[in-house]
Amino acid sequence: ELKVEQNPLFLSMQEGKNYTIYCNYSTTSDRLYWYRQDPGKSLESLFVLLSNGAVKQEGRLMASLDTKARLSTLHITAAVHDLSATYFCAVEPGNQFYFGTGTSLTVIP
Amino acid sequence: DAGITQSPRHKVTETGTPVTLRCHQTENHRYMYWYRQDPGHGLRLIHYSYGVKDTDKGEVSDGYSVSRSKTEDFLLTLESATSSQTSVYFCASGSSDLSYEQYFGPGTRLTVT
Repeated sequence: ELKVEQNPLFLSMQEGKNYTIYCNYSTTSDRLYWYRQDPGKSLESLFVLLSNGAVKQEGRLMASLDTKARLSTLHITAAVHDLSATYFCAVEPGNQFYFGTGTSLTVIP
Repeated sequence: DAGITQSPRHKVTETGTPVTLRCHQTENHRYMYWYRQDPGHGLRLIHYSYGVKDTDKGEVSDGYSVSRSKTEDFLLTLESATSSQTSVYFCASGSSDLSYEQYFGPGTRLTVT
């Protein structure tokens, strides 16, 4: 059974702090996706990581991919309240997308 | 943002009735997807399409069927709705270029009573 596991599932962090969300997956996948979802809203694409060693950064978020370890990380630098949301990772073996259960992030002033 | 709309946005229906959800995209994307989102499960793929009249099953396809007669439209049908199909349904589309981006619609909240 294919599994995509994120941890932590819930994260409460203070503004200005750094933290990392982890995404482990159990099957070979050349691509790894990160999405953001605000409460009651749809999903917004953050990053598409296309190969082993890929690193992408946008603002205070940086994502990386290690296909050999089947691990992706989403690092948050100097968190701000606007980053409060649920973050999902997903893999795509053979045209089918499999999502993690999400990490609910709350940034506290 | 890609132009993806879903209709209806909210629906309440009774057990045993058929329900059709519509997804419409204006980006000429080749790929389209239907997901359901439930607490504790993230998003799970129901069906997807890789072209007109080309569809395939996803992870949780039982009780659902799809059709794609035009590039821009992807329909999801619940032949006989059950309470376990109460969920939020998201449609997504993506092109086959190197970006591999997936763009999501606003979602449909379906309640089966």
